[in-house]
Amino acid sequence: AQKITQTQPGMFVQEKEAVTLDCTYDTSDQSYGLFWYKQPSSGEMIFLIYQGSYDEQNATEGRYSLNFQKARKSANLVISASQLGDSAMYFCAMREGGSQGNLIFGKGTKLSVKP
Amino acid sequence: NAGVTQTPKFQVLKTGQSMTLQCAQDMNHEYMSWYRQDPGMGLRLIHYSVGAGITDQGEVPNGYNVSRSTTEDFPLRLLSAAPSQTSVYFCASSYSGQAGGTEAFFGQGTRLTVV
Repeated sequence: AQKITQTQPGMFVQEKEAVTLDCTYDTSDQSYGLFWYKQPSSGEMIFLIYQGSYDEQNATEGRYSLNFQKARKSANLVISASQLGDSAMYFCAMREGGSQGNLIFGKGTKLSVKP
Repeated sequence: NAGVTQTPKFQVLKTGQSMTLQCAQDMNHEYMSWYRQDPGMGLRLIHYSVGAGITDQGEVPNGYNVSRSTTEDFPLRLLSAAPSQTSVYFCASSYSGQAGGTEAFFGQGTRLTVV
């Protein structure tokens, strides 16, 4: 079974609108971390946001927020006020407590922002 | 601050050739790892290291070798290149191997083609 599932291979959003990228995860660990990375067409991996399993508040970083629903094992990324530069691949990843640091990635969602 | 430096950025190999992908970080990170990225597959862990002298296999280790003689360097060796190893390779580093909120820093990637 996949540990990280991103069900949206591709998505379109209108510029200036908000968009939600879905991510569900599967772990039996109590301690884990969830990450979102952005990969623009230039190829580099850019860290966006982090949520710890014990964090009670949803993480926010500028226009990015993470909608963390622990009981449902979901960690959706919300991008507010989309910009053309947000067009990229987005990867959800998880680090489990006993993993020694390894990140497990989902297959990604390709976001296209339309002007 | 250079972060994670990978070389080369591009490489074409003939089947059966060997080569080493270099990775160096200047952040004194204990944890380093190698991933490969294939279309539609996300990033998959090849090998990782939790400190100098300690390495272990990830999800897709076959055909690759690693060593960690210093904290800074974590080279990836392709022993006998095969077309199935055509991929984009990323090196990453982070602080401890705990599930805390320390994001992984990625190199720029190496695009490898095996013909």
